[in-house]
Amino acid sequence: KNEVEQSPQNLTAQEGEFITINCSYSVGISALHWLQQHPGGGIVSLFMLSSGKKKHGRLIATINIHEKHSSLHITASHPRDSAVYICAVVQGAQKLVFGQGTRLTINP
Amino acid sequence: EPEVTQTPSHQVTQMGQEVILRCVPISNHLYFYWYRQILGQKVEFLVSFYNNEISEKSEIFDDQFSVERPDGSNFTLKIRSTKLEDSAMYFCASSPALIGDTQYFGPGTRLTVL
Repeated sequence: KNEVEQSPQNLTAQEGEFITINCSYSVGISALHWLQQHPGGGIVSLFMLSSGKKKHGRLIATINIHEKHSSLHITASHPRDSAVYICAVVQGAQKLVFGQGTRLTINP
Repeated sequence: EPEVTQTPSHQVTQMGQEVILRCVPISNHLYFYWYRQILGQKVEFLVSFYNNEISEKSEIFDDQFSVERPDGSNFTLKIRSTKLEDSAMYFCASSPALIGDTQYFGPGTRLTVL
């Protein structure tokens, strides 16, 4: 069983739709990252959170430590949001354990 | 804005050869990491490095692998005798502090072992 599970694996939506990507984990963590991987392969960190909620522009990330669950929301989605979104949990001091990613495609 | 850089962007090598992948972390960062991503698979942690020594490593990081910070700026990953299954994208990352800080990723080096 994977320690970090994301759903859905693939998501296609129309421009303007509200997007939710989910992440569940089965291990104790000190923090959780949401990352964005572009088609060229580069990885960009979007959020690091250990409790509650964070917002940056149209992106919102929430985490429920007790339920071991996090969500990434995108409001007013745009084709440029098309990418793979990855959830990664921090185990111990430094080790990141990654989910398999969610491939998001936003059609105009 | 400062960024993590990696060279080369693509390395092709023969099985059994040694390769060195290079990274220049962001200058005031103290923690350095290597990750790999085999094509079509998830990203995997390899090793973390602080104060000139390995602080944590995964089971993937066996004796074939080593890391070094040879000067004040570069951070290298050496694979001594490459195998076909070492073909992957290798990402370097750095962070200013340990827990509670974002990791900044480099663009990656695609390693192809023939």
